[in-house]
Amino acid sequence: GQQVMQIPQYQHVQEGEDFTTYCNSSTTLSNIQWYKQRPGGHPVFLIQLVKSGEVKKQKRLTFQFGEAKKNSSLHITATQTTDVGTYFCAETGTYKYIFGTGTRLKVLA
Amino acid sequence: GAVVSQHPSRVICKSGTSVKIECRSLDFQATTMFWYRQFPKKSLMLMATSNEGSKATYEQGVEKDKFLINHASLTLSTLTVTSAHPEDSSFYICSARPFSGRGDYNEQFFGPGTRLTVL
Repeated sequence: GQQVMQIPQYQHVQEGEDFTTYCNSSTTLSNIQWYKQRPGGHPVFLIQLVKSGEVKKQKRLTFQFGEAKKNSSLHITATQTTDVGTYFCAETGTYKYIFGTGTRLKVLA
Repeated sequence: GAVVSQHPSRVICKSGTSVKIECRSLDFQATTMFWYRQFPKKSLMLMATSNEGSKATYEQGVEKDKFLINHASLTLSTLTVTSAHPEDSSFYICSARPFSGRGDYNEQFFGPGTRLTVL
């Protein structure tokens, strides 16, 4: 079945360093969403990407959709301790969502 | 904003009992609700898609007689874990997709989750 893999699985960074998580699919994605889940919390929607090669920014976060629509990335510039959590990508098909394996980010102060 | 509630937030039960979890969209109508299961430090695994007024669609490997889903109204879906066993212990999260015209995207709103512990 369809799988959406994310790398890395874990990432520890010093506060102020940049962070990137990559989302890769074995099939072409119709669109991709990104979510953040804080420890003990539930996923919170960050953004959706639809177009091939699309790039969107939210303050220190930059989201990119690959040209072939098989991969996506989330880049955080100058991480802060509030960025701690697990970041999931999700492929949103016509009726259901397939979540990536997630990347857990720890930010060391 | 769009709010989804879940009740209870935590439940501890004995093996063999049944547990019902409610998922409510508080300020919007949801024709579709999703039920996920999340093991510690793992991703969300879609269990089933619940559509108002019709039978739920279960993902492969999910026992429909074990996890009963009812979507009785546009704001309420329930998941009942029947004859629970310790291996059913997990974090169960629901999400709801608005009926229409809410939000700019094909967005789903998540409930806070229910942590089930089966002794």
